[in-house]
Amino acid sequence: SQKIEQNSEALNIQEGKTATLTCNYTNYSPAYLQWYRQDPGRGPVFLLLIRENEKEKRKERLKVTFDTTLKQSLFHITASQPADSATYLCALNSGYALNFGKGTSLLVTP
Amino acid sequence: DGGITQSPKYLFRKEGQNVTLSCEQNLNHDAMYWYRQDPGQGLRLIYYSQIVNDFQKGDIAEGYSVSREKKESFPLTVTSAQKNPTAFYLCASSLTGQSLNTEAFFGQGTRLTVV
Repeated sequence: SQKIEQNSEALNIQEGKTATLTCNYTNYSPAYLQWYRQDPGRGPVFLLLIRENEKEKRKERLKVTFDTTLKQSLFHITASQPADSATYLCALNSGYALNFGKGTSLLVTP
Repeated sequence: DGGITQSPKYLFRKEGQNVTLSCEQNLNHDAMYWYRQDPGQGLRLIYYSQIVNDFQKGDIAEGYSVSREKKESFPLTVTSAQKNPTAFYLCASSLTGQSLNTEAFFGQGTRLTVV
């Protein structure tokens, strides 16, 4: 069966450091992968989309890598800030809708 | 303001009652989706619609029903047949359902509690 796995343990880092979150998947052949941010009690918000032929994509302090051989995406937040504290979700298309991982909670402390 | 609106934000239902959650979008998107989120769980797909007047069951459709009579509206009814309806419900839309090479826009969610 198709699976999207994200580290279920919360990631706690100090302000200014780089946060790295992992998304692994099985039984998908994705043309692209998406990352979303979700704050408590709110709907997810789209952050980045990376295509299979793109190894890396950047947007401001965010960087995403996509390795279709390893079936893995890494999501980096550089110079992290307390405002970056949230849950980050990885998503892949199943052909008719997006399937999401359970998300990784990030806490950035001052 | 363009966006996707869910209402109400909080909803309480007595056991045995049906309840309908509203989802409206003014983004002119063809595709709309309903997800359910439980604590510690990811988003699970309930129903999706790729075009008006058409919808399909997702992974956990039992006990739910939908309609798509208008492009901008995709209401979800939680029926009494749904055994564990207490959850956070999220509606989303995307430009097209056939090619999902676009982002999904989510509403603010409806938190349903059975009392």
